[in-house]
Order: sequence, then C-alpha cells, then structure tokens
Amino acid sequence: RKEVEQDPGPFNVPEGATVAFNCTYSNSASQSFFWYRQDCRKEPKLLMSVYSSGNEDGRFTAQLNRASQYISLLIRDSKLSDSATYLCVVNKPSQNFVFGPGTRLSVLP
Amino acid sequence: GAVVSQHPSRVICKSGTSVKIECRSLDFQATTMFWYRQFPKQSLMLMATSNEGSKATYEQGVEKDKFLINHASLTLSTLTVASAHPEDSSFYICSARDAAGVDTQYFGPGTRLTVL
Repeated sequence: RKEVEQDPGPFNVPEGATVAFNCTYSNSASQSFFWYRQDCRKEPKLLMSVYSSGNEDGRFTAQLNRASQYISLLIRDSKLSDSATYLCVVNKPSQNFVFGPGTRLSVLP
Repeated sequence: GAVVSQHPSRVICKSGTSVKIECRSLDFQATTMFWYRQFPKQSLMLMATSNEGSKATYEQGVEKDKFLINHASLTLSTLTVASAHPEDSSFYICSARDAAGVDTQYFGPGTRLTVL
C-alpha cells in the first residue's frame, strides 16, 4: 500500500461547482499535512497547511481526521484558474515529506 | 512565501555530458534541501536529501555516483548529473526546508533536462 493515496481523478467540473478531493495516509506517526498545487510543467506551490481543527482560506477548506488518517480539500465556486494537479503531502518531524500521486482538476467554462 | 531559485531552467545536452543544477534559498537559511525528479504525468519522486555540511542521503535506487549532490552553504545546494543519458531526461526540482517557520518545503521552479 502506498504511504499517501489520493483520488485518481481527473475531475472535470463546470465553473462555479464545488469539488472535494480525498487523501489517505498510512503512517499514523505523521504530524504535518499540506495541500500543494502543481500547474502543468511547473513546480508545486503550497496551497495550505492542514490542521486538526480544520482550516479555511477563502474558497478552500481543508479537513484532517487523524483517527481515520484522512485529509480532504474542498474548493467552492470553482474558477478556471483552479485547474491544476492537487498534491496531498504528509510529514513526520525531522523526516521527509511524502507526496501523494496527485489529483488533476479541470474546471470547464 | 519563501523564495527558492533554481538554475538553469532548461538544459538540452548530448549524451555523456555532465549537467550541474543549482538550487538557492533567497530569503531564508535552509539547513536541508531536497532533490526530486518528476517524469511526465507522474508524481514527484524524492532522489536525495541534502544537509548543509554533510553528505547527502540518497533514496533507494538512486545512484550517488551519478547524481552528485553538494550542499556547501546554508543557501546553496547543487545537483550534478554525471554523464547524462537519454533516460535521465526529466524535470528536476529542488526544495528547501524552512524549519524556522511552519515546517514546510518551498520549491524551486525546476529544471527541465533533455538528453539527446
């Protein structure tokens, strides 16, 4: 089993739609969680950290469920510019990040 | 967010050439930098972890004699692909860990290597 798994995608949604991505991780010792966004042929960019209490940044909401080892990302009112691959990342202190395979999102006009 | 630069952004070279890629953290000190490789439509694969002043730690299956890493200062790490071959063609991305703030990584813009 992969250490970090994500919805395979791709997700093709119309502008204005709400879309949710799921991610599961296998290592219960993981302590830091992030969502990164990667555009085609570009480097990943940090979208948001994920906290146990859940956090929101504008149209983006991230949730963490430690008991189920599950992370989610919700995007409301999708924009064309949201089209990208979304990477789930988990980390243990003093250890390396583990990237999920990514979920590709295409927002259609 | 923190800024990481990477140079060059693109390299096209002949088989057998050695290629050097630089990664710099511009506005913070990075005791740890990471080198990743990404093939088309695949996720990032960690190649090695570079710690300032010590030898790099390579992931399983990554040849240390082929992918030479030097982390001579708190703001610079270099990756040299020795005697590159067409199968080394890939997108190489570095990242730097900013342990002073939120423990996360900031990525350089990547280097696209094409070996003919």
